[in-house]
Amino acid sequence: QSALTQPASVSGSPGQSITISCTGTNSDVGSYNLVSWFQQHPGNAPKFLIYEATRRPSGVSNRFSASKSGNTASLTISGLQAEDEAYYYCSSSAGSGTWVFGGGTKLTVL
Amino acid sequence: QLQLQESGPGLVKPSETLSLTCSVSGASISSKRYFWGWIRQPPGKGLEWIGNIHYREGTFYNPSLESRVTISMDTSTNQFSLKLTSMTATDTALYYCASLREDPSQWDYWGQGTLVTVSS
Repeated sequence: QSALTQPASVSGSPGQSITISCTGTNSDVGSYNLVSWFQQHPGNAPKFLIYEATRRPSGVSNRFSASKSGNTASLTISGLQAEDEAYYYCSSSAGSGTWVFGGGTKLTVL
Repeated sequence: QLQLQESGPGLVKPSETLSLTCSVSGASISSKRYFWGWIRQPPGKGLEWIGNIHYREGTFYNPSLESRVTISMDTSTNQFSLKLTSMTATDTALYYCASLREDPSQWDYWGQGTLVTVSS
């Protein structure tokens, strides 16, 4: 069971859109739609943004959207705002009741 | 609304066993709707899933930690616990407890985390 692969960092200017990828394998992301995305500001616990690959819970801005294709899931943030600067993590079911997380991506809003 | 709160020692000596407890309010840990999990985050690093427990379905562990981990629950106190044996410096991390709701599947609530340092 290896960690899902995310870019270490991404950046964008206010108002722009960015996409963060999360690459797994046929044993996790590729086999299940149980992919979640989390936002973590320094010093805070993770907050979940997306569940079941594309679904957004109530209360989460519609500027956050997600998709999945094959072994790769993606999180898109549109209309970047300063408050979006944070770390973003993906996770996926890996079968048999196990889960795996990504290494995290630092988003910098320029 | 669900709330989770971790408790336990902040300092553990090498080779000793870590014991942490997560107190849950707002839901019963015997609910069939929820798994209860532990996730850790070494300083400056990413999240690592440790394991889950479900009242009816039992326990599930990260294969890389399975030989050292035990997760249990106490329905009388509405708490679940983590034991991690043979602690080393690489186990130094912020330990979170969290709820994993079933159908739809979502890690919806997290504790604030408790920092555990392994040092003599």
